[in-house]
Amino acid sequence: EPEVTQTPSHQVTQMGQEVILRCVPISNHLYFYWYRQILGQKVEFLVSFYNNEISEKSEIFDDQFSVERPDGSNFTLKIRSTKLEDSAMYFCASSENRGGQPQHFGDGTRLSIL
Amino acid sequence: GENVEQHPSTLSVQEGDSAVIKCTYSDSASNYFPWYKQELGKRPQLIIDIRSNVGEKKDQRIAVTLNKTAKHFSLHITETQPEDSAVYFCAAFQTGANNLFFGTGTRLTVIP
Repeated sequence: EPEVTQTPSHQVTQMGQEVILRCVPISNHLYFYWYRQILGQKVEFLVSFYNNEISEKSEIFDDQFSVERPDGSNFTLKIRSTKLEDSAMYFCASSENRGGQPQHFGDGTRLSIL
Repeated sequence: GENVEQHPSTLSVQEGDSAVIKCTYSDSASNYFPWYKQELGKRPQLIIDIRSNVGEKKDQRIAVTLNKTAKHFSLHITETQPEDSAVYFCAAFQTGANNLFFGTGTRLTVIP
């Protein structure tokens, strides 16, 4: 069964540094998402992406965050100047279409900010 | 935006018993309701979903019911097994926003 893959599995970064989290969505999927989960809490939506542009973003997704699809397969989340409170598990997800299609999640990247 | 509430936060059952987890949502425009199972340190895994034009859906030991009028939906697991132990999240897809809103999760423990 095709899967969403994410790299790295764990990223440790000094506060103020930039990080890039990478995702390869399922190949025939058209909608891509980033979510985050602070330890012990619920999954929170960050941003959705379709046709090479952001379609929705949450309040969490401020100017420090950006997303990009640099080529035909990768989907990246960049945090420009990390803060301690950015420490969380970041999940990428993809779906075949809009309109309530199943979203399939990757294994996540655990981001630890020191 | 959508607000999804989930109860209980923790649930312990004896192996073989049933488990029920309940969620409510606020936005009547939400039309798709998936349930995810998350084992410790792993990805949320879709286990069952239901759309707003259906009242009930079943897949082996797992079933989901939806009451659109009351804006609540429930997950039912029958004949629970130790491997069902995990955190379960409900979610609602809000059509206008094109994203999932998750509940706060239920930690299910199945006692052998």
